[in-house]
Formats: sequence, structure tokens, C-alpha cells
Amino acid sequence: QSVLTQPPSVSGAPGQRVTISCTGSSSNIGAGYDVHWYQQLPGTAPKLLIYANSNRPSGVPDRFSGSKSGTSASLAITGLQAEDEADYYCQSYDSSLRGRVFGGGTKLTVL
Amino acid sequence: EVQLVESGGNLVQPGRSLRLSCAASGFTFADYAMHWVRQAPGKGLEWVSGISWNSGSIGYAGSVKGRFTISRDNAKNSLYLQMNSLRAEDMAFYFCAKDTRIGYTSGHFDYWGQGTLVTVSS
Repeated sequence: QSVLTQPPSVSGAPGQRVTISCTGSSSNIGAGYDVHWYQQLPGTAPKLLIYANSNRPSGVPDRFSGSKSGTSASLAITGLQAEDEADYYCQSYDSSLRGRVFGGGTKLTVL
Repeated sequence: EVQLVESGGNLVQPGRSLRLSCAASGFTFADYAMHWVRQAPGKGLEWVSGISWNSGSIGYAGSVKGRFTISRDNAKNSLYLQMNSLRAEDMAFYFCAKDTRIGYTSGHFDYWGQGTLVTVSS
């Protein structure tokens, strides 16, 4: 059971918009700690997608965006492309556990 | 170019020990916290341990506390994970990840290695 809760899977057709939620608690997201998102393509290492809730590293398309409110955060992907098919993970810090925490991951399928 | 190269993964029997290494290049290693993150085959990511830039602050996941020890050698640009009393549930790919801050409690992981596989089986 992950400290941050994500839906196991989401799907969408090419060109559509999907969102992935990440729900935490008062000891992590709700305490004000930043949320970061990672994309993991099959058979590869995770890659930073969004940092500090809503910032995109250089090279990440603006189709990807992040937001945070209260004890939750969301990743939105617009204009879905086949190459977006991957696993997505949210991550934050938990003050009770005194360590970094990940969501369980969400598998995105592009129909 | 930032590079993180893990090594040391192997097949090991339950109860035995293993030491992982991560060789870093392309950035000033001593300026950043570093982490180990693992992923069991077909499962999600799990943060294992983090260490501040000067080894002054260290943290562990509850699942490995007391069994694993993280360390770093800034002179050698290297990160280590000593894993003792290994269990079947420790079987995973272990990734080395660079933080964006000096402390291990904040920041994010901006670079990852390709991982090294630890198999625990009799």
C-alpha cells in the first residue's frame, strides 16, 4: 500500500486529454511538500517529467502539466500521443516517515 | 553529460549481504544529495535511502532500516548501498538517483541510473 494513491490505470485515444491523480495526506502533500512526477517507459529508468508541482524540465513538451491543491496533485497530458504510453509516478516527502514517498504508479494506455 | 552507473547487483541467498555501487560523472557529485530507489519486477518505485551532500543526514525506508547502510565517497564520486540480511522481498532493480538539493529531504530526482538487479533466492 503506497503512501500516495494513484489510479492503477488510465487510458485515452490519440489527441485526447487525460489526468492522473495523486492523493496524499497531511504529512506529505497536505503539509506543503512539493509533488514531482516521473515517466517510466517500458524497460527504462524513470525520467523526471514535472518538478515542484507544476514545473517542466527542459525538453519536456508543454502537453504535460501539473497542479497541486490541498492533499492532492494531478498530472494532465493533452494531445495524447502513442509515445506517451508509459507508467507515471508521483513523489513527495513525508514528514512522519521522514523520507521520500512514491505513488503506486499509473499505467497510461493510448488506445 | 550526467551519468550514473550502478554495479554490484547479483544473485544472493536469503540472509546474505551485497554491496551496490553507483559511479557518478558529469556533475559536481559533492554538491548534491543522492538516493537509492528500487523497483521489484513488475511493481512500482520504492524509495530506499537518501544521503545528504556531506553524509551528515541520512534516511531510510522502514522496510530496510537496520539492514541497509547508505554511504558516499565524494573523492571517488561514488555512492554505495550495503545490504545485509537480504530477504526475498528485497529482490528488485536498484536505481541510483541524483537529487537537486544538498539535503535528502527536499528536491527531486533529476537524473537516474539504469539500475542493477538484485536477485534474492536460495
